[in-house]
Amino acid sequence: GQNIDQPTEMTATEGAIVQINCTYQTSGFNGLFWYQQHAGEAPTFLSYNVLDGLEEKGRFSSFLSRSKGYSYLLLKELQMKDSASYLCVTPTSYNTDKLIFGTGTRLQVFP
Amino acid sequence: GAGVSQSPRYKVAKRGQDVALRCDPISGHVSLFWYQQALGQGPEFLTYFQNEAQLDKSGLPSDRFFAERPEGSVSTLKIQRTQQEDSAVYLCASSPDSGRPQHFGDGTRLSIL
Repeated sequence: GQNIDQPTEMTATEGAIVQINCTYQTSGFNGLFWYQQHAGEAPTFLSYNVLDGLEEKGRFSSFLSRSKGYSYLLLKELQMKDSASYLCVTPTSYNTDKLIFGTGTRLQVFP
Repeated sequence: GAGVSQSPRYKVAKRGQDVALRCDPISGHVSLFWYQQALGQGPEFLTYFQNEAQLDKSGLPSDRFFAERPEGSVSTLKIQRTQQEDSAVYLCASSPDSGRPQHFGDGTRLSIL
């Protein structure tokens, strides 16, 4: 199966660092995506990891451990505009175009 | 526009009516996807196309749901005899080719009364 688990909600303070964890179960791993979705808007692509390790992209970084079925999204220097849902996403083992989304982690950033 | 465009943005229909939702993908994008997103949940895959070919429709909830992309560009998702449980946001996404990140439209929010 491809069960994806991530926390439902998180809160943080402006300027802080927050880590959003995701665990997944898949028999045929084909990479892991993170998407950001503001309320009422389209999901937007943040990152894609296929190899173990940390991928850094500005204030956002994404980490993957394939052996542990674990990923996290790290957000630094939080801004109010980072308040959104963050979706952990994996392709199915048999079709890389068919994405399975987690329920998303709703992050609220407070001043 | 440069992004994926969906219309209408909002649709209200009475139970039993048929609805049609339109998606204009990014120009030149080969792959097109439809998702259903319930409130507070992540998007769920419905179906996808490579050009005009519908390669996977395993996520369509029932035979009341039908999608087409006759010329390999614009796509329409049709729902016949709508039910209240069809109320959701329907998202369309496109990508340049297989395996590339998907670009999403803002969705159509469908409410069935």
